[in-house]
Amino acid sequence: DAKTTQPPSMDCAEGRAANLPCNHSTISGNEYVYWYRQIHSQGPQYIIHGLKNNETNEMASLIITEDRKSSTLILPHATLRDTAVYYCIVRTPMEYGNKLVFGAGTILRVKS
Amino acid sequence: NAGVTQTPKFRVLKTGQSMTLLCAQDMNHEYMYWYRQDPGMGLRLIHYSVGEGTTAKGEVPDGYNVSRLKKQNFLLGLESAAPSQTSVYFCASTTRDRGTGELFFGEGSRLTVL
Repeated sequence: DAKTTQPPSMDCAEGRAANLPCNHSTISGNEYVYWYRQIHSQGPQYIIHGLKNNETNEMASLIITEDRKSSTLILPHATLRDTAVYYCIVRTPMEYGNKLVFGAGTILRVKS
Repeated sequence: NAGVTQTPKFRVLKTGQSMTLLCAQDMNHEYMYWYRQDPGMGLRLIHYSVGEGTTAKGEVPDGYNVSRLKKQNFLLGLESAAPSQTSVYFCASTTRDRGTGELFFGEGSRLTVL
């Protein structure tokens, strides 16, 4: 299973964009990059995922480099409620169990 | 639609006792997972199942057993609890069908082993 590397913590001012980086240099061609977040001790919440192309949804944007060895999650206008632990995960294909292997994640603190 | 429900939400055990955590999902999902989360750490995969009657080991399977007798239920058992198994346990499920592959998580079960 591919491993990911994320900074342990980041701060962001409320209303500004939060850019969370992730390295996944050993990712395979058929593995997806997923982002989840965990607020307090709740169950993780899905944010976004991608394979090769950049993706955007109502929560965030995902930028994947052309070599796929790194990606960046962008929260365009961070709010205090976005304070959470953000996990960058490489997902094994469905035929191998669709496993999500979590790392330690990045603690994002949004400050007013 | 309850999603993923875990029972019990809290439990205190003595060393050597046994217990079973129940995960139930009402979304007709094929895949189910059990994770544990220790303080300040990410989730670690214990066991998972890709369908009724099948189970497989994850990253940290030792000391746990699982069963998937019904598609909607995934049971996690501790035969002889140890203090090292004090943790928060999360169950998750997802569909095999084409889609986001998003995992839906339960609220967690907090287990303390004394």
